[in-house]
Amino acid sequence: NAGVTQTPKFQVLKTGQSMTLQCAQDMNHEYMSWYRQDPGMGLRLIHYSVGAGITDQGEVPNGYNVSRSTTEDFPLRLLSAAPSQTSVYFCASSYKAGFSYNSPLHFGNGTRLTVT
Amino acid sequence: GQQLNQSPQSMFIQEGEDVSMNCTSSSIFNTWLWYKQDPGEGPVLLIALYKAGELTSNGRLTAQFGITRKDSFLNISASIPSDVGIYFCAGLGVPGYSSASKIIFGSGTRLSIRP
Repeated sequence: NAGVTQTPKFQVLKTGQSMTLQCAQDMNHEYMSWYRQDPGMGLRLIHYSVGAGITDQGEVPNGYNVSRSTTEDFPLRLLSAAPSQTSVYFCASSYKAGFSYNSPLHFGNGTRLTVT
Repeated sequence: GQQLNQSPQSMFIQEGEDVSMNCTSSSIFNTWLWYKQDPGEGPVLLIALYKAGELTSNGRLTAQFGITRKDSFLNISASIPSDVGIYFCAGLGVPGYSSASKIIFGSGTRLSIRP
């Protein structure tokens, strides 16, 4: 198993450009989520999904779109990048929504995004 | 929305010393979690707590779920160089509420150790 795979690892965008951050997991996890990590702010939840076809907003959803057409993939879209979206983005998944030691949250290694 | 206040923001201690950090919230949580993040990687789960008052250990790490369900602490005994990193608390909301599927993270405690 590859676990949670995020691509790309690094990306530089200009203000107003669009892009999609990819996240894929091969563990048949129902639950997937996106976090952004900023200095002194910890990890803030952007969007999450409890299963294919179902998505919901987290703490900081503005400026981001998600979709969940398959169990494996949960892409995060920036339609018009802004400097405030400069951050490190983490995708995470677990077998079920909620939490247990049998269903912990597995994180990818992150995508470092810079918007100039 | 729910917020977790984690302190201290950073610690710079001597190898061998004990470490203590805590997390508080204005809302109750059903589950408290502690994660560690190494540079360039995603966070990794250290300890999970499921019941108010629960005290759980994992090697040199000990964590407690506060009685009020609004706080938790993590202790690391006899710190070693590989303990360096960022430690995050996280909470999972109460079933039946919209927060039930959301894991909310604190702002992190950066631990540095002098050899």
